[in-house]
Amino acid sequence: GESVGLHLPTLSVQEGDNSIINCAYSNSASDYFIWYKQESGKGPQFIIDIRSNMDKRQGQRVTVLLNKTVKHLSLQIAATQPGDSAVYFCAERLTGANSKLTFGKGITLSVRP
Amino acid sequence: DTGVSQDPRHKITKRGQNVTFRCDPISEHNRLYWYRQTLGQGPEFLTYFQNEAQLEKSRLLSDRFSAERPKGSFSTLEIQRTEQGDSAMYLCASSFGGTNEKLFFGSGTQLSVL
Repeated sequence: GESVGLHLPTLSVQEGDNSIINCAYSNSASDYFIWYKQESGKGPQFIIDIRSNMDKRQGQRVTVLLNKTVKHLSLQIAATQPGDSAVYFCAERLTGANSKLTFGKGITLSVRP
Repeated sequence: DTGVSQDPRHKITKRGQNVTFRCDPISEHNRLYWYRQTLGQGPEFLTYFQNEAQLEKSRLLSDRFSAERPKGSFSTLEIQRTEQGDSAMYLCASSFGGTNEKLFFGSGTQLSVL
């Protein structure tokens, strides 16, 4: 079936380094993607989004890249900080105004001091 | 605080009991979603409302689950005759809808069924 998934369950990075979190999606009909960050005991927090007619979008310290050819989404975090430690989820939405977000499994980002 | 609010934060109940959770969305948002999340997994869609109309329900939502949004503002999610498998975090989210629909989540209600 269609699914959204993440390649690695955990990622450990040194404080100050750049982090790259990858996500594979299988539904070519998806037209909108979001990255969420979830800290312990909290709900998912919106980080950045991208539509399928774009291949790159930048925010503050974060960049999302979309490769529709291989159905791959990545989140890049520049100068990773301890506060970035959390579980990260990618989510996709199928084309259509009434379509819901479908989440992949989370990847834990751990920042070493 | 103008974010999505959920109550209670934690609920411990015995198997077979009924539980009800409440969600207060961001006031301007017309869409309200319920998701369920288990440890290490992403949130799974349960149901959503456009104003007071419930537009879609997941197959995950058995007959023991019911959700309401009577006035298009707050919503309740009730689980009847709880089972141990119902133990999870129940997340509520709201949005404006639209093409680039960003969901804003509450902190969730953690349900433990003993």
